[in-house]
Amino acid sequence: DTAVSQTPKYLVTQMGNDKSIKCEQNLGHDTMYWYKQDSKKFLKIMFSYNNKELIINETVPNRFSPKSPDKAHLNLHINSLELGDSAVYFCASSQDSAVRLQYFGAGTRLSVL
Amino acid sequence: GESVGLHLPTLSVQEGDNSIINCAYSNSASDYFIWYKQESGKGPQFIIDIRSNMDKRQGQRVTVLLNKTVKHLSLQIAATQPGDSAVYFCAEIPSVGANNLFFGTGTRLTVIP
Repeated sequence: DTAVSQTPKYLVTQMGNDKSIKCEQNLGHDTMYWYKQDSKKFLKIMFSYNNKELIINETVPNRFSPKSPDKAHLNLHINSLELGDSAVYFCASSQDSAVRLQYFGAGTRLSVL
Repeated sequence: GESVGLHLPTLSVQEGDNSIINCAYSNSASDYFIWYKQESGKGPQFIIDIRSNMDKRQGQRVTVLLNKTVKHLSLQIAATQPGDSAVYFCAEIPSVGANNLFFGTGTRLTVIP
């Protein structure tokens, strides 16, 4: 069983559309994250949720809205997609007490045309 | 703000040789430093970490060295194998009790058979 799974793996869409990326972890972790990785491989934290509550919200446009229906899921919804949103988005999870040990999903490659 | 950077963006080594990947940081208050490995098409994977009060930590074929005087971190891989080819990131927990990671820019390691 995959520990942290993201869907879809690839997402190609037009500018202005709204899209969602789903993430689920079966590790029993209480903290989940979303990262954005650009074309130069730079990996930047976007959001962090602990037990369904937002604890980190880095400088991210309001068009990005995370939603955590339960502590095993953290979905990312993006409104009015822009060209600059093209990137690979990674979901990760960790135990609250072990932030340094994060388990990452395989990533979702988003291409905005 | 925090800055975790790498000296070299790419590194090529012969199979069987030792690899050394370097990282510079600027935040003296960082609590932990962590190395992650990202293989092509996958998410980052935890390799090893070191707390700021330590100088050296060893794992299986990997050693991390921390020099707080010059704010430098290195990852040494012994007897490098083709499976070690990946992008390696150093990351930091910016302060004691912080609940997020800041990642450096990454070094691509290529192992030549």
